[in-house]
Amino acid sequence: RKEVEQDPGPFNVPEGATVAFNCTYSNSASQSFFWYRQDCRKEPKLLMSVYSSGNEDGRFTAQLNRASQYISLLIRDSKLSDSATYLCVVNPTDKLIFGTGTRLQVFP
Amino acid sequence: DAGVIQSPRHEVTEMGQEVTLRCKPISGHNSLFWYRQTMMRGLELLIYFNNNVPIDDSGMPEDRFSAKMPNASFSTLKIQPSEPRDSAVYFCASSFGLGGYEQYFGPGTRLTVT
Repeated sequence: RKEVEQDPGPFNVPEGATVAFNCTYSNSASQSFFWYRQDCRKEPKLLMSVYSSGNEDGRFTAQLNRASQYISLLIRDSKLSDSATYLCVVNPTDKLIFGTGTRLQVFP
Repeated sequence: DAGVIQSPRHEVTEMGQEVTLRCKPISGHNSLFWYRQTMMRGLELLIYFNNNVPIDDSGMPEDRFSAKMPNASFSTLKIQPSEPRDSAVYFCASSFGLGGYEQYFGPGTRLTVT
């Protein structure tokens, strides 16, 4: 079983739609969680950290469910510029484990 | 503020040649990570350093790969000899420490070995 699993997508959604991604992780000792965003042919960039109580940053909401070992990312009012691959990241030890990413394509 | 700096941005070389990739972490960060990304294998952690000391190199694919961090502001990843299957994007990332700190990535070096 992979340490971090994500649906690769692609998720094709129209502008203005709400879209959600889930990610599951295998190591219950994981303490820190993040979502990164990677544009085509660019480096991964930190989108947001994920806190136990859930957190919001503008149109983006992240949730953590430790009991079921999954994290989620909700994007409201999708923009064309949200098109990218979203990487789920957890840290079970002293390094970060990256998922393979979920691709989002927002169309006009 | 300067982010992580990598050079070169693109490298095309012939099989058997030595390749050296360079990275300058964000000032004040004491942990540095080298990753490789391909379509087939995704993002793979090769090696990481803390306070210039290699902590875990279990991700280095073969003895042909080596990495050094002679000081807090510079690291190299060397492939000798290079092979076509080494073609990938190599990213360097840095963070304030190990564990749960977020990592910041450089723009990557796109390596093509012919």
